[in-house]
Amino acid sequence: DIQMTQSPSSLSASVGDRVTITCRASQSISSYLNWYQQKPGKAPKLLIYAASSLQSGVPSRFSGSGSGTDFTLTISSLQPEDFATYYCQQSYSTPRTFGQGTRLEIK
Amino acid sequence: QVQLQESGPGLVKPSGTLSLTCAVSGGSISSSNWWSWVRQPPGKGLEWIGEIYHSGSTNYNPSLKSRVTISVDKSKNQFSLKLSSVTAADTAVYYCARVRRYCSSTSCLAFDYWGQGTLVTVSS
Repeated sequence: DIQMTQSPSSLSASVGDRVTITCRASQSISSYLNWYQQKPGKAPKLLIYAASSLQSGVPSRFSGSGSGTDFTLTISSLQPEDFATYYCQQSYSTPRTFGQGTRLEIK
Repeated sequence: QVQLQESGPGLVKPSGTLSLTCAVSGGSISSSNWWSWVRQPPGKGLEWIGEIYHSGSTNYNPSLKSRVTISVDKSKNQFSLKLSSVTAADTAVYYCARVRRYCSSTSCLAFDYWGQGTLVTVSS
């Protein structure tokens, strides 16, 4: 199985901050990396697919980059609705695996 | 707008079988997408269970493969999950999701539509 490791596990930030979350794969996954946002009691929401492609309807303050084993999700200017948990997920092979999540909290 | 809705018992006894159905609306289950189940134990992360294509082809998580069956009913536009020999460790919110293919590679996949999730508790 491909292991996905996110850092940090939790993060405190303020509205307007620029935030970066990192995801590392245990082997190369090319650009087959997706990012999701999950709010309490809700299903995950697809933000970024193929490492850097913005899902329709997602604000442009979200961006993704990386290839191979190292990837980042950046939120350019945090908004109140962005405080949530973020997960990366690889689609390179089965089993599809997720990172452990990064909880983004209000400072 | 594609919508997915999970249904099934919220309580299952230990050693029993968990059975859930995901009804798909706003789109055909026979479209060029895979359909998947993902679960999330309370307070924990996401775990992929498996996926099915409308042809009946399946992929399962090896950690659950011996206990999992995913099937599709094209006439009802729905797919189902059965997980046997359940224990308390199977207590989780179970989500169904559409797996969209966004390029020609078989690895170009992302979960783009999700059900709202259903909590299944394993307890006597």
